[in-house]
Amino acid sequence: NAGVTQTPKFQVLKTGQSMTLQCAQDMNHNSMYWYRQDPGMGLRLIYYSASEGTTDKGEVPNGYNVSRLNKREFSLRLESAAPSQTSVYFCASSSSGAGELFFGEGSRLTVL
Amino acid sequence: GIQVEQSPPDLILQEGANSTLRCNFSDSVNNLQWFHQNPWGQLINLFYIPSGTKQNGRLSATTVATERYSLLYISSSQTTDSGVYFCAPPGPSGNTPLVFGKGTRLSVIA
Repeated sequence: NAGVTQTPKFQVLKTGQSMTLQCAQDMNHNSMYWYRQDPGMGLRLIYYSASEGTTDKGEVPNGYNVSRLNKREFSLRLESAAPSQTSVYFCASSSSGAGELFFGEGSRLTVL
Repeated sequence: GIQVEQSPPDLILQEGANSTLRCNFSDSVNNLQWFHQNPWGQLINLFYIPSGTKQNGRLSATTVATERYSLLYISSSQTTDSGVYFCAPPGPSGNTPLVFGKGTRLSVIA
């Protein structure tokens, strides 16, 4: 049972390039999330999807877009990467908004 | 939104010592999670604890929702306990995404 799987695990981009982080879960969860983690800042919510077909902004949505492709998959897109988006990105899922949260292993993104 | 404060921010322990980590939150909550982020960056679920006390081996957690705090107890600490511990209650309404504190960084030395 893989749980939550993120790809890629590492990526280096130049300013202005675009990329998509992929996330898939195999726990039949309804809700999925993208968080970013910066040193000393804890985890901050970028976007979430409470259920298939819905997405909502979190605390730090600027510069990102998301797609809930189906119940299993939730992608995060950076259209024009900026150095301020250098961070570690975590995807997570839960059975519901109040359910126990499970994380992927993280994706380390560096924007030069 | 809900504010989450964790204390202490940093903690150094000798192997075998006990410790208590505290999480204060600004609003009533109907559940709360504790996570351990190991030195490799993985986020590991420790407890999903709406209220009361739960135990898992050397770790236990208590949440007193009415007084807006939760405690994580680590007994007989081991070097593998090192890392950052996060508490995370849900946002407003209780059915919204978790809000994370800044964590307590624990270093256990042999």
